[in-house]
Amino acid sequence: SSELTQDPAVSVALGQTVRITCQGDTLRTYYASWYQQSPGQAPLLVIYGKNNRPSGIPDRFSGSRSGNTASLTITGAQADDEADYYCNSRDSSANHLVFGGGTKLTVL
Amino acid sequence: QVQLQESGPGLVKPSETLSLTCTVSGGSISSFYWSWIRQPPGKGLEWIGYIYYSGNTNSNPSLKSRVTIAVDTSKNQVSLNLISMTAADTAVYYCARGLGFDAFDIWGQGTMVTVSS
Repeated sequence: SSELTQDPAVSVALGQTVRITCQGDTLRTYYASWYQQSPGQAPLLVIYGKNNRPSGIPDRFSGSRSGNTASLTITGAQADDEADYYCNSRDSSANHLVFGGGTKLTVL
Repeated sequence: QVQLQESGPGLVKPSETLSLTCTVSGGSISSFYWSWIRQPPGKGLEWIGYIYYSGNTNSNPSLKSRVTIAVDTSKNQVSLNLISMTAADTAVYYCARGLGFDAFDIWGQGTMVTVSS
């Protein structure tokens, strides 16, 4: 089982705001990174570090952390945001990396 | 821009060794971590391991005894060997560039590997 826990599925109405969470003890120390994966595609980094977006990622994507929970917030969700979202960070040894189980986002 | 391309056999027999290569184009392999990540059909992502361009490696404890990752800076390539393949190793295998140690900013398109006799 993963050391990072994500809700399997989340839905949001078009244009509304949604928060996808990732829980794990190591998140108290290390930041999570977030990836968007559309069907048949490789994952795409959308947030890393404290709240950094790679070039080309819309500013409706933002990241935050509180205690042992990291969150990815999409403000004003669009239809093409419908995808699987994965978090990753370090494991309890701090020397290895681990992914959360993924969250399937549905935009209604 | 930097692009990654995985290559290798699409079909491997049980107990055999998987050998994959990731070719980096449009940029240098130096000064970065390079990871292998896999995804079984319909399932989530699993980090396999990384290599730093200098040659330092680290791998998932669950796979450590079976994994070898190497780098060839002259060819701008990273390789993965995974021994004793079983059906549970059937997955899409990705290589990815590390943004520092923790995040992966550039991914290859992935290569599907099926383990079957």
